Amino acid sequence: EVQLVESGGGLVLPGGSLRLACEASGFSFNTYSMNWVRQAPGQGLEWVSFIGSGSTTIYYADSVKGRFTISRDNAKNSLFLQLNSLRAEDTAVYYCARSRGFWTADLWGQGTLVTVSS
Amino acid sequence: QSVLTQAPSASGTPGQRVTISCSGSSSSIGSNAVNWYQQFPGTAPKLLIYNNSQRPSGVPGRFSGSKSGTSASLAISGLQSEDEAIYYCAAWDDSLFGVVFGGGTKLTVL
Repeated sequence: EVQLVESGGGLVLPGGSLRLACEASGFSFNTYSMNWVRQAPGQGLEWVSFIGSGSTTIYYADSVKGRFTISRDNAKNSLFLQLNSLRAEDTAVYYCARSRGFWTADLWGQGTLVTVSS
Repeated sequence: QSVLTQAPSASGTPGQRVTISCSGSSSSIGSNAVNWYQQFPGTAPKLLIYNNSQRPSGVPGRFSGSKSGTSASLAISGLQSEDEAIYYCAAWDDSLFGVVFGGGTKLTVL
């Protein structure tokens, strides 16, 4: 089955860190670019980061630049997002999403909830 | 505040045709393809339209997309109760070097 499964979410203190993972299955992970997209409670979608299939092309939203780091391990069919210096406004469901073509997110995981609170 | 502008709500009756609009800029919609996503409460978004007007396999032909200048539209014909969801537009922005989403339009089927 073609799917993406996120993990690693949880409750973290402001200023803390967390590492999210996304495991891909059912398709050739190493040929696709990937994204992280988040959704704060009751809010809309916000793109977070993009990584090309070979990790040479990486983009971040201004809101997370310098604090979040995207990476991937093609040998393990896995995508990661390292979240540092977390703030209350980073509280959201984080989705990993496969890119079709350049960036079109055509396959989404079920999401993992990150809550930043004291 | 979202970079792409959508009306927060829309409504229609079963069988009706509804249009949802998305307004951007020269660096977003004006220069790049638009995608549309459908999201039901508590679930992940689903790609509905890509490259302005293309439908992924499995998406009913009732859904169609178009783009003109710096605006795009999603049309749903033969509206059904199961179409009640939130619809988001999205596009790459050349100035921001990133993807921008609309704020979402909540569609209610009366």
